[in-house]
Formats: sequence, C-alpha cells, structure tokens
Amino acid sequence: GENVEQHPSTLSVQEGDSAVIKCTYSDSASNYFPWYKQELGKRPQLIIDIRSNVGEKKDQRIAVTLNKTAKHFSLHITETQPEDSAVYFCAASILYSSASKIIFGSGTRLSIRP
Amino acid sequence: DAGVIQSPRHEVTEMGQEVTLRCKPISGHNSLFWYRQTMMRGLELLIYFNNNVPIDDSGMPEDRFSAKMPNASFSTLKIQPSEPRDSAVYFCASSFGLGPRNEQFFGPGTRLTVL
Repeated sequence: GENVEQHPSTLSVQEGDSAVIKCTYSDSASNYFPWYKQELGKRPQLIIDIRSNVGEKKDQRIAVTLNKTAKHFSLHITETQPEDSAVYFCAASILYSSASKIIFGSGTRLSIRP
Repeated sequence: DAGVIQSPRHEVTEMGQEVTLRCKPISGHNSLFWYRQTMMRGLELLIYFNNNVPIDDSGMPEDRFSAKMPNASFSTLKIQPSEPRDSAVYFCASSFGLGPRNEQFFGPGTRLTVL
C-alpha cells in the first residue's frame, strides 16, 4: 500500500522568510496530492492540491511542486506570516478510484517567529 | 450545507465504559472516514466506508473498536470497553470519492478523555 513520509516534523522560521515542507510517496499509482492545514484546536482543512499531470501549482503565497519520477512533492510558503503557524499534512491518493482513501504524512508543525 | 457534524464534541468517561461517537457526513458524499489524532501518533486512519460499506478497517486498533454506517447519513464509532490510552481527538471526514478533487471534509472532532 501507499506510504507517505514527511519532513521535517517541526519547522521554525522568521516572519517574512520562506518555509519548505517535503514529502515522498511510494505508490506510483497515486495521482493526487493534497495539503491540509490544521490550526491549533481546529480540524484539518485542504489548502492546496496538485494532480500528477502538473509539475507545479501556485496560489498566492503557497506553491506545491511535484516530481513524479522521484516521487517527491513539496509545499512552499513565501513571506510567512503569524497566521501560517499550524500543523501541515501532505497526503497522497488515487483519483477516480473506489478506494478513495487519502494517506497522510505524519505532519509538520510550523512556527513563525515574530 | 452544515458540513460534517460530529457529536458529542467532548466526552469524558471512566475506564471500562462504552463510548459511542457519532457522525453525519455531508449530503451527497459517498465516502466516510474515521481518524484518531494524538500527539504521539499523529493522524491515524481507523476505518473508512464507501457507499456505506466498510472498505478498509486495518487501522482499527483492536476488537474493542467497532464502526457502523447503517445509512448514507449516519455513522458511529464505538469503543467498548474504553481505556485511558483511547484518549484522543476522533475526527470523522467525508468526501465524494469519485470526483475530480478527492477533498476530505473534516468534522470538528470529538475530544475523548478516558479516566
């Protein structure tokens, strides 16, 4: 089955700097890679996703990149702000499959220093 | 739509008692997931259903845990008997698994404390 590894487990960056979180997956059939953000005491929520036919996707200060050959994908947050402090989860899934589960990484706790 | 609804939001019980957590998925979604989250183990998938049928329960920790989905709008996760190590936040999530975007919508969670 699919296995998703996520690094680092904790990350502290100065406000305004960039943050990068990296993930690897094992199942070459995975074709959908969402990222979830979980603020303290809240539920995980989807913030951005990428499909395997795309190498990069950007949404304002957030971007995701995907290297299918290496089975790597990453989340990049630029110009970090205090509200970016949260736990971020990467995940892998297969679209249009009856086995619709998402395999989550172990999470990265991002702290933004003022 | 009100989103995924879970009840209760908080549950405090004593070891050995039965605990039942409830979930109402988003209308029209065909997949439902139960997760457990702790500091030590992160976000663990316990079981998931597709069209009310359990597909994968390999994450259920032991026989004390059971889950049902009697219809498309309701699911329960039961722990009997409960133990202190079951203390965690339990999330229910739903999705439309055959759509172009397999987004899971999480409920607010149930914080379970077993004394």
